[in-house]
Amino acid sequence: DAKTTQPPSMDCAEGRAANLPCNHSTISGNEYVYWYRQIHSQGPQYIIHGLKNNETNEMASLIITEDRKSSTLILPHATLRDTAVYYCIVRVAKAAGNKLTFGGGTRVLVKP
Amino acid sequence: EPEVTQTPSHQVTQMGQEVILRCVPISNHLYFYWYRQILGQKVEFLVSFYNNEISEKSEIFDDQFSVERPDGSNFTLKIRSTKLEDSAMYFCASSDSGQPQETQYFGPGTRLLVL
Repeated sequence: DAKTTQPPSMDCAEGRAANLPCNHSTISGNEYVYWYRQIHSQGPQYIIHGLKNNETNEMASLIITEDRKSSTLILPHATLRDTAVYYCIVRVAKAAGNKLTFGGGTRVLVKP
Repeated sequence: EPEVTQTPSHQVTQMGQEVILRCVPISNHLYFYWYRQILGQKVEFLVSFYNNEISEKSEIFDDQFSVERPDGSNFTLKIRSTKLEDSAMYFCASSDSGQPQETQYFGPGTRLLVL
């Protein structure tokens, strides 16, 4: 699976959009970009994933560059409860049973 | 909304003792996983399980570890003889199918402390 690079930490103001970058310059054509987050020591929570098109759900939007070498997770209106470690994971989604390889993630602190 | 559950939430044991961590995956899911997270470190994959067989395991998952689906709802991780370094959060996850866009859903974890 391709390696990802994320900033170790970032702050965000409550109510503002949080834009979390991720670089995955070695991504292959059949690899998906997944985002999870972990609030305190809870289990990782799935947020969103995509292949090459931008995706949006009730939690966030995922913007993937045309060359697919980087992506941005957007939390449109950050709340204090969005304070968490956010993980960008790239992996082949060819079949179930594929492990998720977590990196260090970005520690996001949403401030009032 | 369906969710993965895990019991116990906390477990304290003595070194050398056996522990069994339990998970109830989402009911229609067929693929099951265990991960662990040592305090302050990354979440690490341990094992994946499908159709009553291990699909993949990491180097961490040595002979001291085993997994089982004893009935139609539970998925267990057994550590045969615990070591101090087994102290960690253990997360169970499940996914629904072999579709290309499989998504894994995680439980809240079991905090294991080996003394």
